[in-house]
Amino acid sequence: KAGVTQTPRYLIKTRGQQVTLSCSPISGHRSVSWYQQTPGQGLQFLFEYFSETQRNKGNFPGRFSGRQFSNSRSEMNVSTLELGDSALYLCASSSIGRTKNTEAFFGQGTRLTVV
Amino acid sequence: DQQVKQNSPSLSVQEGRISILNCDYTNSMFDYFLWYKKYPAEGPTFLISISSIKDKNEDGRFTVFLNKSAKHLSLHIVPSQPGDSAVYFCAARLNTGTASKLTFGTGTRLQVML
Repeated sequence: KAGVTQTPRYLIKTRGQQVTLSCSPISGHRSVSWYQQTPGQGLQFLFEYFSETQRNKGNFPGRFSGRQFSNSRSEMNVSTLELGDSALYLCASSSIGRTKNTEAFFGQGTRLTVV
Repeated sequence: DQQVKQNSPSLSVQEGRISILNCDYTNSMFDYFLWYKKYPAEGPTFLISISSIKDKNEDGRFTVFLNKSAKHLSLHIVPSQPGDSAVYFCAARLNTGTASKLTFGTGTRLQVML
């Protein structure tokens, strides 16, 4: 069973540009969540998608957005990039439902550097 | 506000001894707790979890303890091995019925010395 796949692995962008990151969840998983990891801040929750609907959102500005497709693949977009957006962006998928306790499986992440 | 806290940024332990990693939380609505291990340049890997209705869960060398009254959980690794050297994150799940999200601590870097 293939794991969570994130593309690209590394990305360098300049301030003001926009970027789109992609995540393919584990087959059969319908929940996809995105996290930002920066040194000293741990993993900060961005948003969660389930069946193409955003059902949970973290405390990030509107420049951060996402979507999920019918095949559960998800994309995350950051517009008007700032230096502080440099981070490791992690995607996690799970089959979590209302009563099912399952863990989230993470991809290897996309390392975004804004210069 | 940091609802999940790992107050020790780093921990060094001798090979073969016990490693104890601690985590505190503030939200009593968390219903599920997880520990993840992360190597550099890789995504976090799930280790072990515990439901809020239990106080202990064991899996091989890894045991997680939950003290709900103190809002504290800990991960015990016995015996510690050099391959355990990594950053460990505790996470808590807030299940609102139709949605869930994980809140992570800032991580503890464990170094197991030979």
